[in-house]
Amino acid sequence: QQQVKQSPQSLIVQKGGISIINCAYENTAFDYFPWYQQFPGKGPALLIAIRPDVSEKKEGRFTISFNKSAKQFSLHIMDSQPGDSATYFCAACWGNYGQNFVFGPGTRLSVLP
Amino acid sequence: NAGVTQTPKFQVLKTGQSMTLQCAQDMNHNSMYWYRQDPGMGLRLIYYSASEGTTDKGEVPNGYNVSRLNKREFSLRLESAAPSQTSVYFCGVGTGVDEKLFFGSGTQLSVL
Repeated sequence: QQQVKQSPQSLIVQKGGISIINCAYENTAFDYFPWYQQFPGKGPALLIAIRPDVSEKKEGRFTISFNKSAKQFSLHIMDSQPGDSATYFCAACWGNYGQNFVFGPGTRLSVLP
Repeated sequence: NAGVTQTPKFQVLKTGQSMTLQCAQDMNHNSMYWYRQDPGMGLRLIYYSASEGTTDKGEVPNGYNVSRLNKREFSLRLESAAPSQTSVYFCGVGTGVDEKLFFGSGTQLSVL
């Protein structure tokens, strides 16, 4: 019940295309859903996050869509660029405490020029 | 990754050797974390420290010990390294507000 499932494991998109990464969870106590972006040799960095009281959050080319009833959330990257090539992790957390974070296994995104 | 410094960046150990991974932050936050990252498994919490003077086990604490030396520094020790501890280790710092996590650049550890 503590798992966060993430798909696909890897994704190849052409420049200008839309990248979509999906995550699913079971624990209804989760109340905070961040996405992290990681470049090779670097630590993960917070990209965007959402709480379950809204169904969508947009920041620039990045959008989180959240479906509370289905217990699913997804990251959409519009107009994908080669610089977006990285590994993306979804996560779920309850209670605002970092020790309660559960991370998905990650998606390796490659954007072709 | 500004604000969270990890050392060393790379380390190779033989089975049974010991080592300490160091982490220091200049962000003045209370919460610090040690994670390990393995292919296909995301980040898994080893130990955390909610504030200076306190430490608690995470999901995968076996084989590790930690010390919260002061508010800035949180170290992770492997007393007797095993090949199963081959991984990339990340130190994290939490803001405590919407708990944004900031990570160091990682330590790549190989245990032969």
